[in-house]
Amino acid sequence: DAGVIQSPRHEVTEMGQEVTLRCKPISGHDYLFWYRQTMMRGLELLIYFNNNVPIDDSGMPEDRFSAKMPNASFSTLKIQPSEPRDSAVYFCASSHTSGSGKREQFFGPGTRLTVL
Amino acid sequence: DAKTTQPNSMESNEEEPVHLPCNHSTISGTDYIHWYRQLPSQGPEYVIHGLTSNVNNRMASLAIAEDRKSSTLILHRATLRDAAVYYCILGNAGKSTFGDGTTLTVKP
Repeated sequence: DAGVIQSPRHEVTEMGQEVTLRCKPISGHDYLFWYRQTMMRGLELLIYFNNNVPIDDSGMPEDRFSAKMPNASFSTLKIQPSEPRDSAVYFCASSHTSGSGKREQFFGPGTRLTVL
Repeated sequence: DAKTTQPNSMESNEEEPVHLPCNHSTISGTDYIHWYRQLPSQGPEYVIHGLTSNVNNRMASLAIAEDRKSSTLILHRATLRDAAVYYCILGNAGKSTFGDGTTLTVKP
């Protein structure tokens, strides 16, 4: 398996533009997570899905952020309009339900977003 | 959510064992203890997890206190490639909250 795939790897955009980040989880995984990482705030969970259904979006900073998971193999995180403070590395991760309690999350390589 | 407390940074010499502590005094009975690490410019990667008993795998060992209020990740022989930020997190469902972690520096 190729692991979690994220695109683009780098995105530079101007304030006010719409940004869409994409994620393909590992096949067979039923959980998908979106994280944001900055020096100031560390690694923050934004939202997570179980079986394509959003379970907890309490980490989404504001209405400018939205996430969808139309099927088990694809998810998007959209920022509209983008602001300079959204500059960060955005990680997608996936995991599968395990009776052993192992909730190993497999992380993608991240998307480095810069909003000018 | 139950929180974890870790030292901000630790140093080790290459080839020596490293013990990374984590306090989680408000852990619930169903919370598993997970450890991840993040190498520079990469996403976090899973290291080990446990519930009550000590655990070993090819990467590390996890020692869990009898009252489960603390745990220790043990790297038996640190290498330069082990330099990373190590996160101790709790979870029993999909959601797990990452704290600030411990930055491990390994000196040659």
